[in-house]
Amino acid sequence: DQQVKQNSPSLSVQEGRISILNCDYTNSMFDYFLWYKKYPAEGPTFLISISSIKDKNEDGRFTVFLNKSAKHLSLHIVPSQPGDSAVYFCAASRGSSNTGKLIFGQGTTLQVKP
Amino acid sequence: DAGITQSPRHKVTETGTPVTLRCHQTENHRYMYWYRQDPGHGLRLIHYSYGVKDTDKGEVSDGYSVSRSKTEDFLLTLESATSSQTSVYFCASLDRGDTEAFFGQGTRLTVV
Repeated sequence: DQQVKQNSPSLSVQEGRISILNCDYTNSMFDYFLWYKKYPAEGPTFLISISSIKDKNEDGRFTVFLNKSAKHLSLHIVPSQPGDSAVYFCAASRGSSNTGKLIFGQGTTLQVKP
Repeated sequence: DAGITQSPRHKVTETGTPVTLRCHQTENHRYMYWYRQDPGHGLRLIHYSYGVKDTDKGEVSDGYSVSRSKTEDFLLTLESATSSQTSVYFCASLDRGDTEAFFGQGTRLTVV
């Protein structure tokens, strides 16, 4: 049972345009959401997060939107740069738990073309 | 970034042999995790630890065991390796009260 889903395995965009990566979740107990970025042969690195009490969080070129009623979040990258080419993982957690477990989606491979 | 290292970085082993992967963190983080990454599945949680000697199963724990005798070390053992356990394994750690886990660089394990 996949609690966090990224239904697009890959995305290709032109440099300078917007990249939109999507993520859906099924567990309404999740109250914190994160995006991680992963380059080949490296571990995932934290990118941006959002609490369920918010619907938007920005950090430079990266913005995450949360739609709780739809159980959907998205990551917007504007403008996209070739260095953004990587695998992006969406993750969710329950802040009320004392384990800090993160449940990840399958990942979306972003390619930004020069 | 948290100091978290995994060893070995690469390993090839034969079916049926036991294998132990090590994760070491220098940040005194309370929580530690083992994930495996496979195409089409993303990162799946194998086991996690919420303190010394406190561990629990994740979503894909069959065939794996873990131990945490010290805060800084979290060991993952494949009791009898199978080809289905060929994967890239990532360790992560998280401090109490934080929400952003830090990951190691991964161990690529091949079972032949």
